[in-house]
Amino acid sequence: AQSVTQLDSQVPVFEEAPVELRCNYSSSVSVYLFWYVQYPNQGLQLLLKYLSGSTLVESINGFEAEFNKSQTSFHLRKPSVHISDTAEYFCAVSDPYGNKLVFGAGTILRVKS
Amino acid sequence: EAGVTQFPSHSVIEKGQTVTLRCDPISGHDNLYWYRRVMGKEIKFLLHFVKESKQDESGMPNNRFLAERTGGTYSTLKVQPAELEDSGVYFCASSQDTVEQYFGPGTRLTVT
Repeated sequence: AQSVTQLDSQVPVFEEAPVELRCNYSSSVSVYLFWYVQYPNQGLQLLLKYLSGSTLVESINGFEAEFNKSQTSFHLRKPSVHISDTAEYFCAVSDPYGNKLVFGAGTILRVKS
Repeated sequence: EAGVTQFPSHSVIEKGQTVTLRCDPISGHDNLYWYRRVMGKEIKFLLHFVKESKQDESGMPNNRFLAERTGGTYSTLKVQPAELEDSGVYFCASSQDTVEQYFGPGTRLTVT
């Protein structure tokens, strides 16, 4: 069975500050890793994914995440956040056979001016 | 290309009533998934269709929930009879290759 732990339920941060949202997973098989984002009053959007290859993956809006197999982590980082990054962020895993996603509890990122 | 759509966006029903949620996947996506998020907890998997067949329904909470996918196109999720603990947001997702899932906006179900 797989599980995902997001260590922070809420992360308040000032605009232009760096941020890290933490995600740890547990699995007995190799996994695919994802970060989804839910902006207020919207659905879930895929932010970035790790399937294989380079352990550092990036999104188009400046977020990046690094897959660390030894620490079973997939933390999300951004060097400088904007007000528009305020949202709830979900870390998720799936097995390589493309079945169900297992989600963490979510982290609410609140960017303050 | 149209995304995943869900109807209704919000439903308020009384305990014991029946509700049917609908999901229209992205055209051409054979894989369709239902998930649920209850009261700020984790988003949890309910079931997975491949075309019209149920591939995995291990997450369905009980026999009050019935999911169908007519002709491998849209899907419905019926809750009958609804209980208070069924309140939450129901998400539908579709996928072409089973790796990247595209989510709909969700249906917020409130059972009073």
